Amino acid sequence: EAQVTQNPRYLITVTGKKLTVTCSQNMNHEYMSWYRQDPGLGLRQIYYSMNVEVTDKGDVPEGYKVSRKEKRNFPLILESPSPNQTSLYFCASSLSGLNSPLHFGNGTRLTVT
Amino acid sequence: GENVGLHLPTLSVQEGDNSIINCAYSNSASDYFIWYKQESGKGPQFIIDIRSNMDKRQGQRVTVLLNKTVKHLSLQIAATQPGDSAVYFCADVNQAGTALIFGKGTTLSVSS
Repeated sequence: EAQVTQNPRYLITVTGKKLTVTCSQNMNHEYMSWYRQDPGLGLRQIYYSMNVEVTDKGDVPEGYKVSRKEKRNFPLILESPSPNQTSLYFCASSLSGLNSPLHFGNGTRLTVT
Repeated sequence: GENVGLHLPTLSVQEGDNSIINCAYSNSASDYFIWYKQESGKGPQFIIDIRSNMDKRQGQRVTVLLNKTVKHLSLQIAATQPGDSAVYFCADVNQAGTALIFGKGTTLSVSS
C-alpha cells in the first residue's frame, strides 16, 4: 500500500532531550516536507526537501533539523526540544515538487514538558 | 500576500443534502489548488485538485469550482454522508513553489 509512515504516533518528552521523528514513504517520491499543526494557526511548513541531499527551511524552521540521505526517508530532529514545540507533526511527500498532490502521514503528537 | 482562507469555520448539514464549502485566496498568481479532508486522528487526505486553466473539475461525489475573477474556490459534496464529517482545508502553492499554504479549515458535521 502506498503510504507515508511516521513514527512514533505519540511522544511525551522533557525539555532539552534530543528526539527524532522518523518519516518514510514507499512511493518513490522526490519531494518531502514536514508540517506542524496548531490550533488557530493551521498547518505550517517546517522544512522541505526537493530531492535527496537537498533540504531547505520552510516557514517555521527554528529548533528543527532534517536530513535526506535516502529518497524514502526524511527524519525530523529536535536537538533540544522546548514546550513551544508541543504540536501535531505531519510528514508529507509528492511525486515531484508541488505540481502534484501532497500525501500526508497520520501524524505524530509531540508533548514537551 | 499568500493567504488562503475559508469563509466559515463550521457547516452542519443533514445526510443526503449537498454541501458547499468555500475558500478565498489572495495570490492571483496561484495556479494549483487542492482540497484536503482531515478526520480526527489522521493526516490530511487528498480529495481533489484543480489547476488555474480549469473552472471546474469533478470527482466521485465531489466537484471543485474555481473562479479566478474573484479568487474563490469551492468544494461541493453531493449526497453528503456521515462519513464525510471532517475538517476540510483548501490549499494553494506559495509563490516560490516550495510549500502548500493551507486555509484554517471548515468543520463539516453531517447528521443522520
